[in-house]
Amino acid sequence: SQQGEEDPQALSIQEGENATMNCSYKTSINNLQWYRQNSGRGLVHLILIRSNEREKHSGRLRVTLDTSKKSSSLLITASRAADTASYFCATDGGSEKLVFGKGTKLTVNP
Amino acid sequence: DAGITQSPRHKVTETGTPVTLRCHQTENHRYMYWYRQDPGHGLRLIHYSYGVKDTDKGEVSDGYSVSRSKTEDFLLTLESATSSQTSVYFCAISINSGTGEAFFGQGTRLTVV
Repeated sequence: SQQGEEDPQALSIQEGENATMNCSYKTSINNLQWYRQNSGRGLVHLILIRSNEREKHSGRLRVTLDTSKKSSSLLITASRAADTASYFCATDGGSEKLVFGKGTKLTVNP
Repeated sequence: DAGITQSPRHKVTETGTPVTLRCHQTENHRYMYWYRQDPGHGLRLIHYSYGVKDTDKGEVSDGYSVSRSKTEDFLLTLESATSSQTSVYFCAISINSGTGEAFFGQGTRLTVV
């Protein structure tokens, strides 16, 4: 079964609002990553957070990690129409085997 | 940027025929992965490789085999294609072996009729 599960499955917001997506996973990890996929394209790496980190920022992205709850969240602030995409979390399960969740489809309405 | 090329990009094949998808990288990254993406399932790992002739199964490996005879090429073979293998297939390489950060190809859309 898949390691990560994103929540919600779909999210629709207005431009300028913040978008929050959550990821839960099952086993211990070395790190957790978030990826973005535009329709019909391959995935693009956004940000990585290590198991000993609690929060990380990159531009308008903020990622948190709670290893005790085996969960992570991705916050996109001041969203733009161009942020419309699917977002996936990925975990390593303690190895190099990168396992993805089912993704959150984000729609940002202009 | 890591160079990664998948071929073919699109393919239609008949049930029962063998199909081979190719993933080629221009750099000598050790780890390579094959995923399939289906609506409602996200990305699921089929097989991965951690070196020449070193491969291992992922979560949906039944009906698939892989080979890696050279560092730069990772082949995915459907021995006898079935309609359930209609999917979009993505190859990825791990560009940072310390963290597993992956770089993806553009995908191959396979239709089995």
